Amino acid sequence: DTGVSQNPRHKITKRGQNVTFRCDPISEHNRLYWYRQTLGQGPEFLTYFQNEAQLEKSRLLSDRFSAERPKGSFSTLEIQRTEQGDSAMYLCASSWTGMDEQYFGPGTRLTVT
Amino acid sequence: GEDVEQSLFLSVREGDSSVINCTYTDSSSTYLYWYKQEPGAGLQLLTYIFSNMDMKQDQRLTVLLNKKDKHLSLRIADTQTGDSAIYFCAESFSGTYKYIFGTGTRLKVLA
Repeated sequence: DTGVSQNPRHKITKRGQNVTFRCDPISEHNRLYWYRQTLGQGPEFLTYFQNEAQLEKSRLLSDRFSAERPKGSFSTLEIQRTEQGDSAMYLCASSWTGMDEQYFGPGTRLTVT
Repeated sequence: GEDVEQSLFLSVREGDSSVINCTYTDSSSTYLYWYKQEPGAGLQLLTYIFSNMDMKQDQRLTVLLNKKDKHLSLRIADTQTGDSAIYFCAESFSGTYKYIFGTGTRLKVLA
């Protein structure tokens, strides 16, 4: 069990550029979640997948954000036309049907300059 | 609505017990969780409690849940310097898989 992995760990980008992050969940987990954490705050829910279906999206997920999980394994989160307010830690978590606990990856820290 | 609050900071001496508190507004939660976050890292699940339980003990960790007062606490016995971190409580609810997190409590353990 290698845990949830996320890449890259850090990303610095200029305002207006597009960025994409990847999350690899724990291998047998069919549920995958994305959260955003800004400095000094707790994580805030963005979206959730069960297998390849995106079943829930937060109002925080503006139309510049898109998440996919095409084969029900890894997931990508893309932010288009980044803004300085997008600077945050983006956390991915996974879980398995029948268990409620979510296991988190190390996060991708995004800095928009 | 969903709102989870925690005190921002707690300082204890090594070997003492730490008690981290959390209050929440939505009483329909199914499970309540405690996570630990070290600097620059993701969240590590410490323990959780089902909403119809009052207490859960797991080695040095004791979770107390007072549903009437909507109050959750985490007691760490024999606190060590390695326990220094930010601690988050979180709620889950029936019908959704998102967690609602508190603002986090920074625990500092003094040697």
